[in-house]
Amino acid sequence: GENVEQHPSTLSVQEGDSAVIKCTYSDSASNYFPWYKQELGKRPQLIIDIRSNVGEKKDQRIAVTLNKTAKHFSLHITETQPEDSAVYFCAASQGGGGNKLTFGTGTQLKVEL
Amino acid sequence: GAVVSQHPSRVICKSGTSVKIECRSLDFQATTMFWYRQFPKQSLMLMATSNEGSKATYEQGVEKDKFLINHASLTLSTLTVTSAHPEDSSFYICSAKQGAGANVLTFGAGSRLTVL
Repeated sequence: GENVEQHPSTLSVQEGDSAVIKCTYSDSASNYFPWYKQELGKRPQLIIDIRSNVGEKKDQRIAVTLNKTAKHFSLHITETQPEDSAVYFCAASQGGGGNKLTFGTGTQLKVEL
Repeated sequence: GAVVSQHPSRVICKSGTSVKIECRSLDFQATTMFWYRQFPKQSLMLMATSNEGSKATYEQGVEKDKFLINHASLTLSTLTVTSAHPEDSSFYICSAKQGAGANVLTFGAGSRLTVL
């Protein structure tokens, strides 16, 4: 089955700096890669996703890049703000986003004032 | 947008009792729902895939007799933790797929189970 690894497990940045979280996946058949933000005790919220037919996608301060050859994808957050502090999970699935997701281990992002 | 309601949000029960968690799609029909389990400060681990009108598909290592899943209608899936023990204490989250061709999953708010 699919295996998704995520690094780093914790990340602390100063407000205004950029944050980068990286994930690798094992199954070359995976073709959908979402990123979720989860605040303590709450549901995961989809913040951005990318499909295997594109290499990069951007939405305001958030961007995701995908390298299919290397089987890795990354989340980039620019101009970080305190409200960006949360746990971020990457995930991978086959057959599009409506199928079961395999999640990474999560990254605790802390944006310090 | 699509909304998934999960109930209860918190439940405390005694060891040996059974607990039922409901996952409802409020404004769409969910042909498929997924149940995840999340331990503190850990990732979401898929437990099973629930398809309306058929038996759930469990992931390796998940006891189907322990975690009973029923998806009797297009808007409701239930997870019953039978004969709960303290090690079953966890955060359980459901997610729903809106239709066969849907490309996005909608998550419920999760249920915090504490077994005393």
